[in-house]
Amino acid sequence: QQPVQSPQAVILREGEDAVINCSSSKALYSVHWYRQKHGEAPVFLMILLKGGEQKGHDKISASFNEKKQQSSLYLTASQLSYSGTYFCGTERDNQGGKLIFGQGTELSVKP
Amino acid sequence: DAGVTQSPTHLIKTRGQQVTLRCSPISGHKSVSWYQQVLGQGPQFIFQYYEKEERGRGNFPDRFSARQFPNYSSELNVNALLLGDSALYLCASSLLGATYNEQFFGPGTRLTVL
Repeated sequence: QQPVQSPQAVILREGEDAVINCSSSKALYSVHWYRQKHGEAPVFLMILLKGGEQKGHDKISASFNEKKQQSSLYLTASQLSYSGTYFCGTERDNQGGKLIFGQGTELSVKP
Repeated sequence: DAGVTQSPTHLIKTRGQQVTLRCSPISGHKSVSWYQQVLGQGPQFIFQYYEKEERGRGNFPDRFSARQFPNYSSELNVNALLLGDSALYLCASSLLGATYNEQFFGPGTRLTVL
């Protein structure tokens, strides 16, 4: 079952903050976050496991609420380079290699 | 270190033809996954191969097939192409067996079916 992302799109000014949410109706083992710029491959940002472990870029933060099966990606003090489409990918077990992606959130940062 | 590589970059085919896409994983990664990304949507899982064995298959018709070679590179084949197969085909590799099974994507192959 595909996770649901919100909002679908957001426009920011440089320096503003944003939160992108990813919700699943099924119990998850992990949530992966990616950013994709137009015409390019998705770039790995963050992985969060149930139980609280996480790994990712220093300037990106995220959370995973296991009770709600919801993950949030926090973008603070946004820069022009943050523009792109953000996808969450979910896994229901720890086998790895099979991500179910949300529909994406388009983020646009303006000067 | 070299990332995931894919070839070709772009491909134009006509309906009914067959196509083969290639992927080389990051050195040391034994798992390769294939995804189809239609414009404006998230990637959709097609196949996963690990140690040359198919470990997962998404909701795609039998026209789609794949294999993994002893050097862990992989090919995705699509037969009897339809207009709806036009998409960006992404390959991702991962280590597996580690605590974090993050996947790293290649640049993709843009397939256009006319």
